[in-house]
Amino acid sequence: KAGVTQTPRYLIKTRGQQVTLSCSPISGHRSVSWYQQTPGQGLQFLFEYFSETQRNKGNFPGRFSGRQFSNSRSEMNVSTLELGDSALYLCASSTAGTSAYEQYFGPGTRLTVT
Amino acid sequence: KNEVEQSPQNLTAQEGEFITINCSYSVGISALHWLQQHPGGGIVSLFMLSSGKKKHGRLIATINIQEKHSSLHITASHPRDSAVYICAVKGGNYQLIWGAGTKLIIKP
Repeated sequence: KAGVTQTPRYLIKTRGQQVTLSCSPISGHRSVSWYQQTPGQGLQFLFEYFSETQRNKGNFPGRFSGRQFSNSRSEMNVSTLELGDSALYLCASSTAGTSAYEQYFGPGTRLTVT
Repeated sequence: KNEVEQSPQNLTAQEGEFITINCSYSVGISALHWLQQHPGGGIVSLFMLSSGKKKHGRLIATINIQEKHSSLHITASHPRDSAVYICAVKGGNYQLIWGAGTKLIIKP
């Protein structure tokens, strides 16, 4: 089975721009969670999607949004980028709809905002 | 006080040593995860446990629900074990609550 894939792997954007990141879960997994990892803050939960519905959302501003498609692929979008948005964005998939189940992580997308 | 505390924050050891990383939490949980993150950023789920003990190769994870404490042990440590080890627990509302991680360096 192919693992979780994320595209692109690296991205450089300038302040004020918007960005869309993509995550393809393991085949058969219906839950996708997104995380932001920065050196100072560690892993921060962004949101979780299950069967195209957002189940949970972390404490991030409305500039951060996401969606999930019928094939379970998920995208997250960040609008009006700020320097502080530079981070590694990780997605994880799991079989069931809660993060209590084992999660499988993608390699991440490293976003640099200049 | 953070809901998930890991200790130590940093650990340097010689190859072959027995390693213990600790995780204490203050919330009620149904599961605890141990994950490994290598310098390149990739995260690998090592264990998910809700009671007792699990073993995989040289890695052993234990959890004591009454004491709200879990440990990750590495036997016969090797330089390739160098990574950040992260503990995460399921809190309310399905979200995982993450520890800050323990950076482990194993010297040859």
